[in-house]
Formats: sequence, structure tokens, C-alpha cells
Amino acid sequence: SQQGEEDPQALSIQEGENATMNCSYKTSINNLQWYRQNSGRGLVHLILIRSNEREKHSGRLRVTLDTSKKSSSLLITASRAADTASYFCATEDYGQNFVFGPGTRLSVLP
Amino acid sequence: DVKVTQSSRYLVKRTGEKVFLECVQDMDHENMFWYRQDPGLGLRLIYFSYDVKMKEKGDIPEGYSVSREKKERFSLILESASTNQTSMYLCASSPIQINQPQHFGDGTRLSIL
Repeated sequence: SQQGEEDPQALSIQEGENATMNCSYKTSINNLQWYRQNSGRGLVHLILIRSNEREKHSGRLRVTLDTSKKSSSLLITASRAADTASYFCATEDYGQNFVFGPGTRLSVLP
Repeated sequence: DVKVTQSSRYLVKRTGEKVFLECVQDMDHENMFWYRQDPGLGLRLIYFSYDVKMKEKGDIPEGYSVSREKKERFSLILESASTNQTSMYLCASSPIQINQPQHFGDGTRLSIL
């Protein structure tokens, strides 16, 4: 099955800096989604980008999708300590099959 | 807002016990999912259901079964719990339409002793 893989596995930055996380996948997708998980909690949906879209924004979040390279990136601008969490990409194919990657642990230091 | 409620946040059971994890969603979603989450492995799909009384195996169904008697409720059953089933279990739901996100509960951290 297809697999989303986030890179890096862990990222530590200072408050105010930008954080960039990458996701690669292997097969054709209908959309790609990014989720956030605070420690010990469930996943919260952040943003969905369809296969025919190249870029999407939501507040301080910017997501890009390059279907030719089968990759996506999530940029969090002007990070805050409250952004500390794990971030997961998930791909959905045309059969509505979801596959989640192992996630990136982001630490934002005050 | 969609609410997905898992019956327990923490659960401790003994090897060989039959364990029930319950999940309820309040948005009339057709699709419901059970995942387990282990460090470094991300989320792995155990079972999903796209309608009442319907179920489909995910990537790791061995040792588990599910029940969906009502649209809003999806139960995960560990028939005879084993220590390798110690994990975080996450329930999610989504509508039948494509290009829709999944909505997750807060998870149940299950320990099998």
C-alpha cells in the first residue's frame, strides 16, 4: 500500500522561526491531508490539498503539493510554543483509502 | 463541531481477557475507523466500516474484531488480549463523500499486563 513518510522525524526550533516538514508518498492520490496531534490526544485535521491543487494556505500554515515528485510540505510560519506537537501527513486515494505517515515531532522552544 | 468520543482514556487489562473499546460519533458519519498508534510506526488501520453492520479489514486485523450495530457506534474487540496489543487506540469518523477529513477521538491508551 502507499505510504506517507514525513521528514524530518523530529525538529526543534526557536519561537518565531519557521518550521518546514516534508511528506513523500508512493502512488497516485486523490488528496493529501495534514494533521496535528498534541501529546496524549487524538489527531486534529489541519488542511486538505487536492491532487489538482499546488498550494493552500490556512492562517500561519502553508501547504504545497508536487504530484510529479509525490511530495508535500507543511510550513508553519512564526512558530509559537503552542505549536509543539506531532504532525502527520495522510494520503487518500480514489478508493477512499487513507494511509498515515509516522509523523514529525516538532518542538518550539520559548 | 464533530465529536468523536472514546469510552476510556486509559485502560488496564490482563492477558487473555476480552476487551471492548467503544467509540461514538455525533455527526451521522457513514465511515468509522479504528487505528492503533505505536511509536515510530504512525497510525495503522485495524478495521473500518462504511455502513451499519458492514466492516472491512485494514492492515492489521489479526487478534481484533469489530461491531457496528448502530450508525453512531463502532466497537473494537480484542478477543483474547495479549501483551503485544498494548498500544494507543484511536477511533475516527468521516462522511461518505470524498475529500473529507477524518475526525478523531482522544484515544484510549490500553495496557495489557
